[in-house]
Amino acid sequence: EAQVTQNPRYLITVTGKKLTVTCSQNMNHEYMSWYRQDPGLGLRQIYYSMNVEVTDKGDVPEGYKVSRKEKRNFPLILESPSPNQTSLYFCASSLYDSRQTAFFGQGTRLTVV
Amino acid sequence: ELKVEQNPLFLSMQEGKNYTIYCNYSTTSDRLYWYRQDPGKSLESLFVLLSNGAVKQEGRLMASLDTKARLSTLHITAAVHDLSATYFCAVGKSYNTDKLIFGTGTRLQVFP
Repeated sequence: EAQVTQNPRYLITVTGKKLTVTCSQNMNHEYMSWYRQDPGLGLRQIYYSMNVEVTDKGDVPEGYKVSRKEKRNFPLILESPSPNQTSLYFCASSLYDSRQTAFFGQGTRLTVV
Repeated sequence: ELKVEQNPLFLSMQEGKNYTIYCNYSTTSDRLYWYRQDPGKSLESLFVLLSNGAVKQEGRLMASLDTKARLSTLHITAAVHDLSATYFCAVGKSYNTDKLIFGTGTRLQVFP
């Protein structure tokens, strides 16, 4: 089944403790992207990747890192999480770039205390 | 700076009625997207509109794009309860990047 898989689905952590949210797709898509969703602010793009080793900043990249060492995986790294990074995170992928239909992961609800 | 505004923010409509959701954006863009999100769920991609005058239809939903007016519409025909969800539009920030800016969403409730 074609899918985008995020892990974990839920995470509660403490300020400053490094964490990684994984995202994996099995559709051989070149384009992958991370978003965060916050009440009243809607969805905002964090980072995106056009292909292996090619990443670029979205609208709200501060406090996040990404890597794209393999086509299928696009992990989101929070080196020193802060409470303002408490949010619902979505990963998405599409075939070549953002002009194709996007497939979204199930979401990761992160709470930083 | 690109801003994306959706109207209305909330929409309560009766089954069988027609309605339109509007998505306005502030600077030139070459692509516009519509998504659906059910409560507590992930997003589902509905439409990708890539040119002026583009029109796409899926079931009771039809999306169109007018790049000159910087306006996209999502028209709902003969609404049914299953269409209750939040609908987001998103706009490509510029021609040479893949950055996307989202609207705030329209929460649609369809009642009998």
